[in-house]
Amino acid sequence: QVQLVESGGGVVQPGGSLRLSCAASGFSFSTYDMHWVRQPPGKGLEWMAFIRNDGATEYYADSVKGRLTISRDNSKSTLYLQMNSLRVEDTALYYCARAGTWHWGPGTLVTVSS
Amino acid sequence: DVVMTQSPLSLPVSLGQPASISCRSSQSLVNSDGKTYLSWFQQRPGQSPRRLLYEVSNRDSGVPDRFSGSGSGTDFTLKITRVEAEDVGVYYCMQGTHWPPVTFGQGTRLEIK
Repeated sequence: QVQLVESGGGVVQPGGSLRLSCAASGFSFSTYDMHWVRQPPGKGLEWMAFIRNDGATEYYADSVKGRLTISRDNSKSTLYLQMNSLRVEDTALYYCARAGTWHWGPGTLVTVSS
Repeated sequence: DVVMTQSPLSLPVSLGQPASISCRSSQSLVNSDGKTYLSWFQQRPGQSPRRLLYEVSNRDSGVPDRFSGSGSGTDFTLKITRVEAEDVGVYYCMQGTHWPPVTFGQGTRLEIK
C-alpha cells in the first residue's frame, strides 16, 4: 500500500535551515507528482510546494517563494524540501502528499524558535 | 488566489443525527476540461488528513456511504447521513482547479453533542 514517511524536522533558530525528506514506498514514485503541505499547531492546512514526477516543474506558495526548494530523487523514491531563512511563522507540521490521490504521510514537526 | 470559505466552523452533532458542512469558493471551480476539482478531507484527532471525496461527489476507496458530496460552481456541501463517534475531527474542503496555489477551507470541527 502507499506509504509516505517524512523526516528531518526539529528545532531551529530563526534564519536557520533544515532539509526535510519524504520516503515513499508501495507505489511507483517516479510516475507521481508530489506536494508539500504544512499545518501550524492548532491551525488549518496550507499548501507549500509541488513538483512534477520528472522534477521538471516546481510551484511554490507566495509565502515561501525564494526560501523553500522542493526536489526529488526518483532513484531513491524520496522527496525533499530544503528550507532556508526560516521564520517563527514557519513552525508547523510538514506533510508530503501524493498528487492525484492525496495520500499523506504522518508529517514531521518543524519548530523555529530562539 | 481562490478563497475557500467553510461554514460552520464548529459543528456539534448528536450521534445518529445528520450533519452538513458548506464550502464556498471565490470563483467557479469548473475547470476547462469540464471537471470540478473540489475535494473533502477528514482529519481525525492526532492523524494526518484523509481524502473522503474528490471531484465534488466521488467517494474514495473505503469511505463509508454515509458521506456524500454535492454542489456545483461555487457552492458545495459535505453531508453525513448519520454521525458516528469515529467521524469526530476537522473537515476541510480543497480546490485544485485554479492552481497554483491549491487552497483549503479553514476547516470545520465536528464534535459529538
